[in-house]
Amino acid sequence: RKEVEQDPGPFNVPEGATVAFNCTYSNSASQSFFWYRQDCRKEPKLLMSVYSSGNEDGRFTAQLNRASQYISLLIRDSKLSDSATYLCVVPQDAAGGTSYGKLTFGQGTILTVHP
Amino acid sequence: GAGVSQSPSNKVTEKGKDVELRCDPISGHTALYWYRQSLGQGLEFLIYFQGNSAPDKSGLPSDRFSAERTGGSVSTLTIQRTQQEDSAVYLCASSPRTPREQFFGPGTRLTVL
Repeated sequence: RKEVEQDPGPFNVPEGATVAFNCTYSNSASQSFFWYRQDCRKEPKLLMSVYSSGNEDGRFTAQLNRASQYISLLIRDSKLSDSATYLCVVPQDAAGGTSYGKLTFGQGTILTVHP
Repeated sequence: GAGVSQSPSNKVTEKGKDVELRCDPISGHTALYWYRQSLGQGLEFLIYFQGNSAPDKSGLPSDRFSAERTGGSVSTLTIQRTQQEDSAVYLCASSPRTPREQFFGPGTRLTVL
């Protein structure tokens, strides 16, 4: 299994749709996870952090399944402004909670929301 | 407050020349990261600093790449004898501690002719 693997996409959805992205990771010791969004030719920006089973922020819900080692991001009521690349990020922690500081980014999933 | 800044924003150089890229992290952030992103590709981890120390240099592509950080603040990434495959956007990020949310700078777009 790759360190971090995401749905390849691209996802093309109409406004108002619900869309979900999955991300799998290989390091079972990783404790916290992140979703970033990256607009075209811009730097990544933090969207959500996931420290326990899940996190919800408005239209966005992130869920974590440690047993299966995957993280998901659900976007409800999609807006045109949600069009971006969504990056799954996994810290390379060691067993016992030691943090090495290195984060591994997935290749990203492209989302296009159309009218 | 001020975010992460990088300079230059764009750099065009000739093959074989050395280049130096600069990153100014958010004040007080102890962790600093360098990544590069080629066109249409994901982020490739290069190196990170905790304070002035670099615990993990495993991502540096070759010995032509080096980085340093002084005073727990500014960092420079140096690429010697640049090659065309070094062309990419080089992104810097800082974090209050590792491994937590990172704040990215706008990047330096390097083009090697």
